[in-house]
Amino acid sequence: DTVMTQSPATLSVSPGERATLSCRASQSVSTTVAWYQQKPGQAPRLLIYGTSTRATGIPARFSGSGSGTEFTLTISSLQSEDFAVYYCQQYNNWPLAFGGGTKVEIK
Amino acid sequence: EVQLVQSGAELKKPGESLKISCKASGYYFNDYWIAWVRQMPGKGLEWMGIIYPGDSDTRYSPSFQGQVTISADKSITTAYLQWSSLKAPDTAIYYCARPRDSNIADAFDIWGQGTVVTVSS
Repeated sequence: DTVMTQSPATLSVSPGERATLSCRASQSVSTTVAWYQQKPGQAPRLLIYGTSTRATGIPARFSGSGSGTEFTLTISSLQSEDFAVYYCQQYNNWPLAFGGGTKVEIK
Repeated sequence: EVQLVQSGAELKKPGESLKISCKASGYYFNDYWIAWVRQMPGKGLEWMGIIYPGDSDTRYSPSFQGQVTISADKSITTAYLQWSSLKAPDTAIYYCARPRDSNIADAFDIWGQGTVVTVSS
């Protein structure tokens, strides 16, 4: 099974600053990686799919990159509504797998 | 509007059975896989399994194989997740989700609101 490992577990960032979140796959997953945002009491929301394509309605400050086993989600200038937990997910191999999550908190 | 609407919160005792639902609307139900995802209290997301309503093809994550049953009723565009004998560690929020494309291997852009299941004596 493919294991997705996210780092760091918690990221403290000031509003307006850049946030960089990492996700590593235990084996190659090509570019079949998605990123989700989850706020307390809400269902996850798809941000990025295919490593770098923003989902409908997602602001341009969210960007994704990577391939193979190393992936990154960048939030260029954090807004107050971006403080949340972010999960990566691979959909190249069954079973599908999420990373453990990165909590982005206000510094 | 494409939507997945899940059944309400459940409070059950250990050993009881349970079936929760996920009602789909706004698209052709038979053509898209629907997955189930568990989120234990304060923890991350876990894939449980997935079903293709068109032919009931079902795949389970090894961690959940034999522990739950996933099914679907095309006539009422509803998917189900059921347990025959609940345990306290089954306490969690359960989400259903649909992929972007009619392909098992795709990101999930439509999510239900979640069903809270509490198992306690």
